[in-house]
Order: sequence, then C-alpha cells, then structure tokens
Amino acid sequence: DGGITQSPKYLFRKEGQNVTLSCEQNLNHDAMYWYRQDPGQGLRLIYYSQIVNDFQKGDIAEGYSVSREKKESFPLTVTSAQKNPTAFYLCASSPWDAQYEQYFGPGTRLTVT
Amino acid sequence: SQQGEEDPQALSIQEGENATMNCSYKTSINNLQWYRQNSGRGLVHLILIRSNEREKHSGRLRVTLDTSKKSSSLLITASRAADTASYFCATDALGYGNKLVFGAGTILRVKS
Repeated sequence: DGGITQSPKYLFRKEGQNVTLSCEQNLNHDAMYWYRQDPGQGLRLIYYSQIVNDFQKGDIAEGYSVSREKKESFPLTVTSAQKNPTAFYLCASSPWDAQYEQYFGPGTRLTVT
Repeated sequence: SQQGEEDPQALSIQEGENATMNCSYKTSINNLQWYRQNSGRGLVHLILIRSNEREKHSGRLRVTLDTSKKSSSLLITASRAADTASYFCATDALGYGNKLVFGAGTILRVKS
C-alpha cells in the first residue's frame, strides 16, 4: 500500500449525515485521486487533484466534495446528496510527470444505513 | 463508460497451473497497466506496458499488448495460492488527460 494511508478502515454512518474520509501520502506526489469501487466492478474516478488548491471532477463527482489544502492530504466528503454512498473508497497518488503510475491506499469501506 | 473490460469474470485453477486473463479497451491508449487487489485491500501495481511495446515480463508475469485489436493479456505462470485475488487492467487513453480507466476485473482463485 506504499506511503498512502486511509482512515478509518471501516466507517458506519446514518443516512443523511455527511462523512469525511481521510487520505494522507508521504510520497511527495503532486497528484491525488479518489475512486469508488462497488462489488464486482472496477474503480470509478470521483475527484482528482494535480496540485495544491486545485481539483477536478471525475466521472461520478455528484454528492461528493474534496479539498486540497496541503500536498500530503486529500480528504473526501461524502455528502447527504450522494444517493448510494455505501461502497469501498480508494485513494491514490502519483508523481506529476507520471500520473499514470498511481499508488493506492488500503481503502475505506463506508456503510450508510 | 469503462474503457477496459476483462475476460473471464472469474477463473478457478489448481496451484501450479497457468492463469490467463484478457483485457479489451475501446480507444487508443498511451499505456496499459495491470493491478492486483486482494480482498478488501487497495490495488497493487503489477506491470505497465506502453503502447509501442508488444510484450513485457516481470517474474512469473507476462503481459502482451495488441494495439490493433485493442487488447491485452496477463499470464501468470506456475500459479500459487497467494495469487488468489482480483486482477484489473487500467488504461490511460489518448485525449483523456492523465486519468486511468479501469475494467471490472477478473477474480482469480488458485486452489491448493
């Protein structure tokens, strides 16, 4: 899992609550990413950030928000607007000049009831 | 829509046998990568093959790329029980920036 940490490993929330997932990296990577994985499916890109204080929507950004105030940190907030938030969330980072070389964290499994 | 699609969806073999997984994609790419994911864990990068390469080896892994057919295969030789995992291909497509697009994966089970 390299130098990327995600916490917590498991997270439980009630419907209607916002929840923030943590992602920290010590690889000195410029770019960071958030993916969602549902059972039996590949990863889908939620948001990504190539530099501090800048981020872009991915393919499924609705109901999610992010911030990138520090190079090492890229927290993801799952808002109450996300219709089906229960999923496995993976954070990744990559060097600026090789953004296809992504290193993944261990993931956070979010369950919303 | 997803760029890569793996085939088969699931594969069950005996320890010592070879495992072959295939990936197809839809548009021209810069690179294609294979990742492994153990149950409930993050993805681990296995191997990258560039669009101008046709074959690449890494230990017991052999990857081929056929850009004319827009397909790739991952061969794991002399499989071990520890190879049991899901395997994903990921492409970074031309004109899609630096984003990776993942297939749905192949679930490999190696029985000891």
